[in-house]
Order: sequence, then C-alpha cells, then structure tokens
Amino acid sequence: NAGVMQNPRHLVRRRGQEARLRCSPMKGHSHVYWYRQLPEEGLKFMVYLQKENIIDESGMPKERFSAEFPKEGPSILRIQQVVRGDSAAYFCASSRNGPLNTEAFFGQGTRLTVV
Amino acid sequence: RKEVEQDPGPFNVPEGATVAFNCTYSNSASQSFFWYRQDCRKEPKLLMSVYSSGNEDGRFTAQLNRASQYISLLIRDSKLSDSATYLCVVGGSQGNLIFGKGTKLSVKP
Repeated sequence: NAGVMQNPRHLVRRRGQEARLRCSPMKGHSHVYWYRQLPEEGLKFMVYLQKENIIDESGMPKERFSAEFPKEGPSILRIQQVVRGDSAAYFCASSRNGPLNTEAFFGQGTRLTVV
Repeated sequence: RKEVEQDPGPFNVPEGATVAFNCTYSNSASQSFFWYRQDCRKEPKLLMSVYSSGNEDGRFTAQLNRASQYISLLIRDSKLSDSATYLCVVGGSQGNLIFGKGTKLSVKP
C-alpha cells in the first residue's frame, strides 16, 4: 500500500521556465492538499482539491500558480514563469475524508530550485 | 492573532526529561486537531490526533481545551529519537489543515 507519491523529488528550473509538480494520493484517498515550505519556515497552505474540483485555493498566489486534480491521474501543481522566490519544498498530502476528519498523510515533497 | 501559534522554541532537554509544547488557535469553529512531527528536510508525519477528552499514546499525551482554544503535547521520558520539529495542526473551515510554525525539540544525551 504505497503512500503519497510525489515526483520529481528535486527539480531545477531557470527563471522564466515552467515547473510541474505531481502528486499521486494514497489509494482510496480523494482529497489532496498542497503546501509550500520555505527554508526554516512552517508549512503554508496553498490549495485543497477533490477529484475534478478545487475546494479552497485561498493560499494560492493570484498569478502563475495553478492546480488540478483530474478524474484520472495525479494532482498537478503548475508554476509558470518561475522566479527565485518560488524556490521551496512543495508538499502534497492526501486524506480519505474531508472536513471534520482531515487526518492527512504527506508525500516526501518536491524541492524546487530556481536558478 | 495568527491562526495557529506555537511556542517558539527551541527546546533543549536531556534524555529522560519531560517536555510540554503548547499551541493556541484563533478559529473557535475548528473541529479537528493534530500533532505532526517533522524531521529535518523530511515530510511531516502524523504523531497523533487530539480529542476533547485528551488522549495518550505511549509516552505522548495530547490535550485540547476548546474554551481556551489551546492544545498541548506532553512527551515523557524523552529519547534522542524524539529530536524533531513538532507541528500543531488545526482543521480549517473548508477542510484544509492549518499548520503552526513548529517547535524544535533537541534531546541531548
């Protein structure tokens, strides 16, 4: 029973390129959450998705960032025209149920470095 | 007031010590509460859920005080392997999880 799988584990992009981060939730989990963690900082909520729906994107920057969780396949966090400030660890988590029962399991993260 | 606020730390304690972490949250409508642990450069891992009646798992005890919007974690008989950052986590109104910044614990021999 594989846990939450994120790939790639490490990603290097030049300024202006696009970054695509993938997250496959645990089997049976239909709720996915994306978080960003800057060095020496806490985890910042970005977006919460269920299959084909964005439930809460209050933590997503207004521009360049988007997320999806299609009916088939992994959830994707997409960052267009990356800048140095996007360098961070991006963690995905999944849970079986939503509100009131949000015990979530995390993937190992994708470490994005923008050069 | 921040949504989830924790002791700043770091806590440096000897092996065998008892250590307590505190956390406050701002949204009185929050329904779910957790403690996660995060090792350096690793993903957060669920340590335990926190229930109104309080709960215990081995050396770890979690308490919730809804009236004061306060959560605590007590670790007894600290081990070297307990060294990590402990994250207080509160379920948000739309089902997302809101993390505190974490409290770093270092257990010394």
